[in-house]
Amino acid sequence: NAGVTQTPKFQVLKTGQSMTLQCAQDMNHEYMSWYRQDPGMGLRLIHYSVGAGITDQGEVPNGYNVSRSTTEDFPLRLLSAAPSQTSVYFCASSPKDATYEQYFGPGTRLTVT
Amino acid sequence: KQEVTQIPAALSVPEGENLVLNCSFTDSAIYNLQWFRQDPGKGLTSLLLIQSSQREQTSGRLNASLDKSSGRSTLYIAASQPGDSATYLCAVPLRAAGNKLTFGGGTRVLVKP
Repeated sequence: NAGVTQTPKFQVLKTGQSMTLQCAQDMNHEYMSWYRQDPGMGLRLIHYSVGAGITDQGEVPNGYNVSRSTTEDFPLRLLSAAPSQTSVYFCASSPKDATYEQYFGPGTRLTVT
Repeated sequence: KQEVTQIPAALSVPEGENLVLNCSFTDSAIYNLQWFRQDPGKGLTSLLLIQSSQREQTSGRLNASLDKSSGRSTLYIAASQPGDSATYLCAVPLRAAGNKLTFGGGTRVLVKP
């Protein structure tokens, strides 16, 4: 199993550009989440999904969109990048019957200039 | 709203010394509490999970305690080694769903040989 994979590892965007951060898992987990990590602030939940076709907002959803068309993939879209979205983004997945067993991807480091 | 705090933000100890990491939370009605380890440039790895009914959990040199009434958890790492150098984060789930975590800001640990 590859576990949770994220692409790209690094990305630099200009203000106003859009892009999609990819996340995929091969463990057949129902639950998937996106977090952002800023220095000294731990991780904050952006969006999450409890299954294909079902998504909901987390603590800091503004400026981000998600969709879940398959169990495996949970892409995060930045519609119009802003410098405040400079952060490290982590995707996580967990099985429905053991949601505390969270598996994290390696992260995407995004810089918006 | 649940808030999770970790103090100190950084800690440096000589090899062999015991490590004591603190985590406090404002809402004592938690389902469980998890401790994670994060190595530089990597994702998070779960170390220990304490259920709300437990007072402590042990894994090798790691021991985590939980005192819900005072809103505190402590992670003890015995006989620290340079390989223990990392950032340690604690997290609690929102009431309704275990996959939506609220994280502390983390404690960055350096174990000097």
